[in-house]
Amino acid sequence: SQTIHQWPATLVQPVGSPLSLECTVEGTSNPNLYWYRQAAGRGLQLLFYSVGIGQISSEVPQNLSASRPQDRQFILSSKKLLLSDSGFYLCAWRGKGSNQPQHFGDGTRLSIL
Amino acid sequence: SQQGEEDPQALSIQEGENATMNCSYKTSINNLQWYRQNSGRGLVHLILIRSNEREKHSGRLRVTLDTSKKSSSLLITASRAADTASYFCATASVQGAQKLVFGQGTRLTINP
Repeated sequence: SQTIHQWPATLVQPVGSPLSLECTVEGTSNPNLYWYRQAAGRGLQLLFYSVGIGQISSEVPQNLSASRPQDRQFILSSKKLLLSDSGFYLCAWRGKGSNQPQHFGDGTRLSIL
Repeated sequence: SQQGEEDPQALSIQEGENATMNCSYKTSINNLQWYRQNSGRGLVHLILIRSNEREKHSGRLRVTLDTSKKSSSLLITASRAADTASYFCATASVQGAQKLVFGQGTRLTINP
């Protein structure tokens, strides 16, 4: 069966520090991968998605970047964190083809001090 | 632009009652999906309904889709305390089928 791993679960970082959040998927190949951010009590905002290795689509201009160095690995990064980067970050995958659901990791709670 | 909009934003009912949540959207869709999120956790997929389907069932869940009104509803029958969570609808548009656009969610509380 397929599983998705996302870490760390919580992270506290100072303003101006770098960020690296990692997401890996097991049990499937060539998935679509997604990074979302969720503000408290709100819906999900799509940040980046990838349909293949090295292919990244950015949905909103921001202080973050994403990379997909391997088929089942998706990384969210920042060179210098801002206070506004605080939030709950979720990774998800879905299979190719139409009408496929997305499957989510357990998220990373990021607090910027 | 915001696609799915859930209604109500919050719903509190007694255990055993039915809970109905609604979702409206704006553009043509390939499918509409409902997800559940327990506090502080990731989202769990519940049901996917395609644009050519009108109703779908899964256990105690029933989803309807009215493409003429661009709306969907999620019905949870015989609610349980464990159903307490936030529920989100998400749409995959015809133009951007690789992506989902989520609504703001309905916070459902089941009182024992």
